[in-house]
Amino acid sequence: EAAVTQSPRNKVAVTGGKVTLSCNQTNNHNNMYWYRQDTGHGLRLIHYSYGAGSTEKGDIPDGYKASRPSQENFSLILELATPSQTSVYFCASGETGQIYEQYFGPGTRLTVL
Amino acid sequence: GDSVTQMQGQVTLSEDDFLFINCTYSTTWYPTLFWYVQYPGEGPQLLLKVTTANNKGISRGFEATYDKRTTSFHLQKASVQESDSAVYYCVLGDMGYKLTFGTGTSLLVDP
Repeated sequence: EAAVTQSPRNKVAVTGGKVTLSCNQTNNHNNMYWYRQDTGHGLRLIHYSYGAGSTEKGDIPDGYKASRPSQENFSLILELATPSQTSVYFCASGETGQIYEQYFGPGTRLTVL
Repeated sequence: GDSVTQMQGQVTLSEDDFLFINCTYSTTWYPTLFWYVQYPGEGPQLLLKVTTANNKGISRGFEATYDKRTTSFHLQKASVQESDSAVYYCVLGDMGYKLTFGTGTSLLVDP
């Protein structure tokens, strides 16, 4: 069954540490996205990708990097984690031409202490 | 840039009540508008979409219409059930296949 999976599902990190969030999709979609979800803000786009090897900045990219090594995998990297990055992170995939429907993973809850 | 505003943060209803959630949007382009729904512990999923071509979308008993004159986009359902309890997001799509989410409306339906 086509799906978007995320790992880990929960993560506790220390301030200043490096965190990598991983996303895998079996939808064979070209586009992938990383969002964070915070109360009062809805979902906000951090980075996205149009295909393997490409990454683009979203609306709130500061403090985050992204990597798309293959069609299936898209990672979000926090080089120096801060408490303000405590949030729930969602990965999504979508197909160019299928008008804007995105398929979301179950989310990763990140706590930075 | 594009923006979406949902003023209703939380709505509490009883089963069989009528649901109405309003949303306003701002964009310089012809909009494609969506309602996404998020159930507890899950990621958001598409509920329905509306384009400038059809002005209305219907799915799973929900209906959404958009008004270009007032740049509003509302979601309604004639009779809600407890299983409809979720967070509903008004979402605007752009030409770069990106989505702009509203802040969400949390619906709680009492049995």
